[in-house]
Amino acid sequence: DTGVSQNPRHKITKRGQNVTFRCDPISEHNRLYWYRQTLGQGPEFLTYFQNEAQLEKSRLLSDRFSAERPKGSFSTLEIQRTEQGDSAMYLCASSTMGVGYGYTFGSGTRLTVV
Amino acid sequence: TQLLEQSPQFLSIQEGENLTVYCNSSSVFSSLQWYRQEPGEGPVLLVTVVTGGEVKKLKRLTFQFGDARKDSSLHITAAQPGDTGLYLCADYNYGQNFVFGPGTRLSVLP
Repeated sequence: DTGVSQNPRHKITKRGQNVTFRCDPISEHNRLYWYRQTLGQGPEFLTYFQNEAQLEKSRLLSDRFSAERPKGSFSTLEIQRTEQGDSAMYLCASSTMGVGYGYTFGSGTRLTVV
Repeated sequence: TQLLEQSPQFLSIQEGENLTVYCNSSSVFSSLQWYRQEPGEGPVLLVTVVTGGEVKKLKRLTFQFGDARKDSSLHITAAQPGDTGLYLCADYNYGQNFVFGPGTRLSVLP
């Protein structure tokens, strides 16, 4: 297993279009997280899954955002009707259960909405 | 809502110099982690500290956790250009996710 994989690495889209990002976590990790990071800021929590169940969603996750993790494996994050304010780095991370275990992050998907 | 502050926001130093960056919380940390993030990449976990007063070393990096578990420092000895990046502290939120600070952006010039 080579770590957390995110695709695509970069996405440029026109305002109003829909986009979908994919994350493949480390196979033995049962928790998967999505974060958003804007320039000069730390990552902000969006949502997380334990296996296939979506257990928490941030209020940052508007109705235009939806995430899925079918069968508890890979996850997708979809943004509908993109806005310029959605431009950011979208980071996926996975972990095992336990407070002492940190995240393993993917390299992220850089979204630019023009 | 827990707020994490990091200082300084930016730091530019020459290779070989020592430096310290800080992380402070508005409430007691439950499980503090430090990450380093290089441009265009995701953060990479450096260390986890849990016990007040704890000190951990990772080669030239020394991490210290305050006795009251509300602050932490990261000291780098003899900085190298490869240390360049964004240093993030994060705390485990019992809501099951981590809260990140805004980071310290370090630039080590050769």
